[in-house]
Amino acid sequence: GENVEQHPSTLSVQEGDSAVIKCTYSDSASNYFPWYKQELGKRPQLIIDIRSNVGEKKDQRIAVTLNKTAKHFSLHITETQPEDSAVYFCAATPGGGATNKLIFGTGTLLAVQP
Amino acid sequence: DSGVTQTPKHLITATGQRVTLRCSPRSGDLSVYWYQQSLDQGLQFLIHYYNGEERAKGNILERFSAQQFPDLHSELNLSSLELGDSALYFCASSPRLGAEVAFFGQGTRLTVV
Repeated sequence: GENVEQHPSTLSVQEGDSAVIKCTYSDSASNYFPWYKQELGKRPQLIIDIRSNVGEKKDQRIAVTLNKTAKHFSLHITETQPEDSAVYFCAATPGGGATNKLIFGTGTLLAVQP
Repeated sequence: DSGVTQTPKHLITATGQRVTLRCSPRSGDLSVYWYQQSLDQGLQFLIHYYNGEERAKGNILERFSAQQFPDLHSELNLSSLELGDSALYFCASSPRLGAEVAFFGQGTRLTVV
């Protein structure tokens, strides 16, 4: 079935360091891969996304890479700041076009130490 | 503000009761999705409606049902509530089908006591 695995579950970095979160997906027809940031008790907020026809996308300090052959994608945050501390979720949309439902990974709690 | 509105923000109810959660999608969005977030299960897809029609169902319990109305707002009905139904329930919307960005509402926190 459809499944998204996410690692690590927790990540602690020093301010200014880089953080990398990795996800793998099971459905080879998946074509859309968003990343959401969620602060405690708040709604998930989209921070970056990538579509299956693109290998890499960057937005300031955030980048996402996609390896369709290996069925994995990664989030890279450079020059981390304390306000980056939150739970990050990767997700994948199954292919076929019938639905845009999101299959989420289990989340990564990122703590940026000042 | 994502433009997706959910009411109520908080709901406390007793076991065995029935509640209705409401979602108004962003203006012009035809798709509405419901997700459940509990501590031990993460973000779980429940159901997807597109322009009033059910498009996909996830691990939604038979005690739960949803619908999307002609004005595109959606309601999630939860009945015979159990303690384990306590969770954050999020609604999200997107414009069309395809690889579309989904924007989340602020959620309804349901506590079953």
